[in-house]
Amino acid sequence: ELKVEQNPLFLSMQEGKNYTIYCNYSTTSDRLYWYRQDPGKSLESLFVLLSNGAVKQEGRLMASLDTKARLSTLHITAAVHDLSATYFCAVELKGSGNTPLVFGKGTRLSVIA
Amino acid sequence: GAVVSQHPSWVICKSGTSVKIECRSLDFQATTMFWYRQFPKQSLMLMATSNEGSKATYEQGVEKDKFLINHASLTLSTLTVTSAHPEDSSFYICSARDGGGTEAFFGQGTRLTVV
Repeated sequence: ELKVEQNPLFLSMQEGKNYTIYCNYSTTSDRLYWYRQDPGKSLESLFVLLSNGAVKQEGRLMASLDTKARLSTLHITAAVHDLSATYFCAVELKGSGNTPLVFGKGTRLSVIA
Repeated sequence: GAVVSQHPSWVICKSGTSVKIECRSLDFQATTMFWYRQFPKQSLMLMATSNEGSKATYEQGVEKDKFLINHASLTLSTLTVTSAHPEDSSFYICSARDGGGTEAFFGQGTRLTVV
C-alpha cells in the first residue's frame, strides 16, 4: 500500500522567510504532484515531477524530487501573504494505465506579516 | 490545458433524498475518472475509480449501493449519493487524465450539505 507523508502539517511563517515542506512516500512511483488548495476551492496544480533529480520552479516556489530517497520537497522563498493556503503532495502508483493519486495530509501554510 | 468541469458547485439536500454530481472532461476523452471525498480540514480520499462502459471500482469502506457511479460516455461520469445523510456532507472532487498525458486535472468540486 502506497503511503504519503507530509510534514509539517501546519506552518506559520513570517513574510520574507524561507521554508521547506517535505513529502515522503513509501513505494516506487512514477510521478509526484504538488497542489495548492485555497479554502472552499478545488486543487490548483503547481508542479508535476516525473524523474529523479527533477527540479521545477515557479515564482517563489520550487519543487524537487529524489526517487531514490522517495522524497520530494517544496521550497518557499521569501514568503508573501498570498502564498497562504494548504499544499498537498500526491503520488501516483507505479504501473501501466491510469492510476489514481494518493495524497499526503496537506500542509496548512499561514504567512504572517 | 485540459479542463474537467464539475456540476453543481454546491448543493443542499434533505436527509433521505438523492443527489447527482456530474463530472465532464471538456476537451478530451477520459476512459477513467476518479472520485475523491474531502472532509473539512482533511486530505482527499479516493472513493472510487469510474471506468467508461464498465462497473466502477470502489475503495474499501465505500458503499457502492450508496454512491452510485455511472460512466456512460468518454466525457461524463456521474456520482449519485443515494439516501443522503448528514454524515455524507463533504466536498466531492472528480479527476481525470487526458489519455497518455502526465497531469491529472481536477474538477471544481461539489460542496454537499445534507440537512
